Amino acid sequence: EVQLVESGGGSVEPGGSLRLSCAASGFSFTDAWMSWVRQAPGKGLEWVGRIKSKNSGGTIDNAAVLEGRFTISRDDSRNTLYLQMNSLKIEDTAVYYCKWEKSPYYALDAWGQGTTVTVSS
Amino acid sequence: QSALTQPPSASGSPGQSVAISCTGTSADVGAHDYVSWYQQQPGKAPKLMIYEVSKRPSGVPDRFSGSKSGNTASLTVSGLQAEDEAYYYCSSNIGGNILVFGGGTKVTVL
Repeated sequence: EVQLVESGGGSVEPGGSLRLSCAASGFSFTDAWMSWVRQAPGKGLEWVGRIKSKNSGGTIDNAAVLEGRFTISRDDSRNTLYLQMNSLKIEDTAVYYCKWEKSPYYALDAWGQGTTVTVSS
Repeated sequence: QSALTQPPSASGSPGQSVAISCTGTSADVGAHDYVSWYQQQPGKAPKLMIYEVSKRPSGVPDRFSGSKSGNTASLTVSGLQAEDEAYYYCSSNIGGNILVFGGGTKVTVL
């Protein structure tokens, strides 16, 4: 059974940092292309970025709007995806989901249940 | 402003059909056949209902169907049921690398 379990969310002040994790199981994480998607309270879905598998070059694509504040990485030995978030802003408050891209070009996928990040002073 | 445009709401009575549009551009929806539709219930993660314009993942009822014409994709829910009441989001990609979503449509079963 495919499982994606996000963790690391919580409350942080503006300007702070947080690292989210997504523990994956039930599929070959080493070969997986993984993405982060977020959803602000009462708002729609927003793509954060994607990291390809190492054997596909490990390329990382990020949403331009994040201005380089967020960094996606992976540890294939731990079957874990990460999202390092720096210089956090109030508007980064959201539920953050990780998802496994089962097929290229954002077709078939599987989502975690999300972890909540609250940026507030 | 969302990259893809969806109507904010749609509704229908039980047993009826409802169609939701998703309008993009020649760079995303119109460029290829990678359009997906998600259903999201309150407090839950999005659930994939349609991928590659019209394909249904295993377990999704055939009441859900997708199509595309030019830069506009559509999701049709036939034989509406109470459990279909949810938000629906479309998505597509730009150049195979950038993922874009619609703003979401709230479907109400009257």
